[in-house]
Amino acid sequence: DAMVIQNPRYQVTQFGKPVTLSCSQTLNHNVMYWYQQKSSQAPKLLFHYYDKDFNNEADTPDNFQSRRPNTSFCFLDIRSPGLGDAAMYLCATSNWDRPYEQYFGPGTRLTVT
Amino acid sequence: EDQVTQSPEALRLQEGESSSLNCSYTVSGLRGLFWYRQDPGKGPEFLFTLYSAGEEKEKERLKATLTKKESFLHITAPKPEDSATYLCAVPRADTGTASKLTFGTGTRLQVTL
Repeated sequence: DAMVIQNPRYQVTQFGKPVTLSCSQTLNHNVMYWYQQKSSQAPKLLFHYYDKDFNNEADTPDNFQSRRPNTSFCFLDIRSPGLGDAAMYLCATSNWDRPYEQYFGPGTRLTVT
Repeated sequence: EDQVTQSPEALRLQEGESSSLNCSYTVSGLRGLFWYRQDPGKGPEFLFTLYSAGEEKEKERLKATLTKKESFLHITAPKPEDSATYLCAVPRADTGTASKLTFGTGTRLQVTL
């Protein structure tokens, strides 16, 4: 089945220790998104790639970076995690012909100690 | 600024007890409204797209409707497996070539035996 895969599902990191979250997709969609979702809150868009073009949200902290080495993979790098960065990180994809239908991965739950 | 408000925040139903979830929105030029289901610890799962007032979509026990100001998700004779958080979302005005969605905070539905 075509899908969006995120690894790891759970990640524990120390305050200030860089961490990388991974997302891969077999849908061959050209757009990939990273969202942050805190408990009982709406998903918040951090940035997205349209093909290789990176689009950052104005309010995304510089601490968050992303890489998309090819169509299938996208990474979220948190350079110096703070306690406030503990959240669920969701990767999603969509395609150019149905841009409003997004397909989400299962998420990575990040804990910062 | 686009706003999406969902009510109630939480809803507890007995199996077979039908009800409706509400999503009201304020956007400049609606380009669609989307319903997602999110199970605890998982990413949102796409359910429905509605594009114009009067439109209805159905899937099993769920029916989504759209007016010019709000959308309803009707749940008929729910079962415990319908328990989840239901999110609605609308495309942002600055969505450009990708789909930037504004999500509501969701309605947490619990269906008991």
